[in-house]
Amino acid sequence: DGGITQSPKYLFRKEGQNVTLSCEQNLNHDAMYWYRQDPGQGLRLIYYSQIVNDFQKGDIAEGYSVSREKKESFPLTVTSAQKNPTAFYLCASSMSSGRAHEQFFGPGTRLTVL
Amino acid sequence: AQSVTQLDSQVPVFEEAPVELRCNYSSSVSVYLFWYVQYPNQGLQLLLKYLSGSTLVKGINGFEAEFNKSQTSFHLRKPSVHISDTAEYFCAVSDVQNQGGKLIFGQGTELSVKP
Repeated sequence: DGGITQSPKYLFRKEGQNVTLSCEQNLNHDAMYWYRQDPGQGLRLIYYSQIVNDFQKGDIAEGYSVSREKKESFPLTVTSAQKNPTAFYLCASSMSSGRAHEQFFGPGTRLTVL
Repeated sequence: AQSVTQLDSQVPVFEEAPVELRCNYSSSVSVYLFWYVQYPNQGLQLLLKYLSGSTLVKGINGFEAEFNKSQTSFHLRKPSVHISDTAEYFCAVSDVQNQGGKLIFGQGTELSVKP
């Protein structure tokens, strides 16, 4: 089955630790995105990538980092510099950036920092 | 820059009643419009999208939306809701010309269908 997988579904970390969230897609999509979701705030874009080895900051990139070494993978690292990392994180992909293709979403990872 | 406003944060409705979830957007350029649904602790699923052509767009699960350019609105409607429609609904906009395929999301509307 084609789709987007995110792992783990739930993640607990101590304050001050870096943590990496996984996102993999087998849809052969060029573009991939990371969003953060907080109650009552909708989805906010953290980073996006239109092509392998290239990525751009979104609206709330501070305290996060990404890499795009393979077309199918776009991991997100939440660093200790992120002041309020507890949130629901969603990864998405689309056929081609700059076009009206819908974004397909993964099931999300809920990160809780203790 | 674009922005999206979902006018109701919560909409309670009884089963089999009609429902309308309101969405207004702001943009100085042409846009594409989307409605997504999110069930608890899950990702988002596309309900429908407006790209061009007919302003009345039909989607999955019996939902439809109408694009009104003069009022910059894209309200979502369903004539008869089911308990299973209980979820959060997000309206999103994308600049036709933009680079990166970025979507701007509204804050979401929580639809609660009661028996």
